Amino acid sequence: QSALTQPPSVSGSPGQSVTISCTGTSTDVGGYNRVSWFQQPPGTAPKLMIYEVTNRPSGVPDRFSGSKSGNTASLTISGLQAEDEADYYCISYTTTNTWVFGGGTKLTVL
Amino acid sequence: QVQLVESGGSVVQPGRSLRLSCKASGFTFSSCAMHWVRQAPGKGPEWVAVMWFDESSKFYADSVKGRFTISRDSSSNTLYLQMNSLRTEDTAVYYCAKDRTGSYTWDYWGQGTLVTVSS
Repeated sequence: QSALTQPPSVSGSPGQSVTISCTGTSTDVGGYNRVSWFQQPPGTAPKLMIYEVTNRPSGVPDRFSGSKSGNTASLTISGLQAEDEADYYCISYTTTNTWVFGGGTKLTVL
Repeated sequence: QVQLVESGGSVVQPGRSLRLSCKASGFTFSSCAMHWVRQAPGKGPEWVAVMWFDESSKFYADSVKGRFTISRDSSSNTLYLQMNSLRTEDTAVYYCAKDRTGSYTWDYWGQGTLVTVSS
């Protein structure tokens, strides 16, 4: 159950777009369309932003979008806003009926 | 509205046991798979365990397999995590999380309960 690989940090200015990658293997990210993304501001529980690679729960702005190619999933945030500054985690269901998280990416809005 | 309230966290010595509870409300507990997820201080979250809604299956992370046991009581809408042979690396905030049915992810989390394993 090795962790998925995410960049430690990304940054962008208000209004810009950023993309966070999440790389796994054929036994997790590449094996299913069961990748989710969570946003976690400091001191709070994670909040679901994307599920099943591309789907947004109600209430999540459409500035947040997800995609996947092979063993790599991506989260794109367009029209960056100051309130988007947080840690972002990907997670995938695996072929052994377990879940594996990415190491997390700190988004800084400049 | 959905509420998940964890309790039972405390400071314990290595090798000891602890049981966490998660009281659920605002949804049909008996119809949802439930998970435990933990987050060590300054680290990212780690999935710990899941129990299917009908109690037919339980799965665990390798790091806790054989030491932790997940269980549930649908009569009281409560999820449990029995933690035995605790190690210092088990120190974390433990969250219970409600499965988003059919989506293999979680849509609600509790506020967490802190477990500190230290001599």
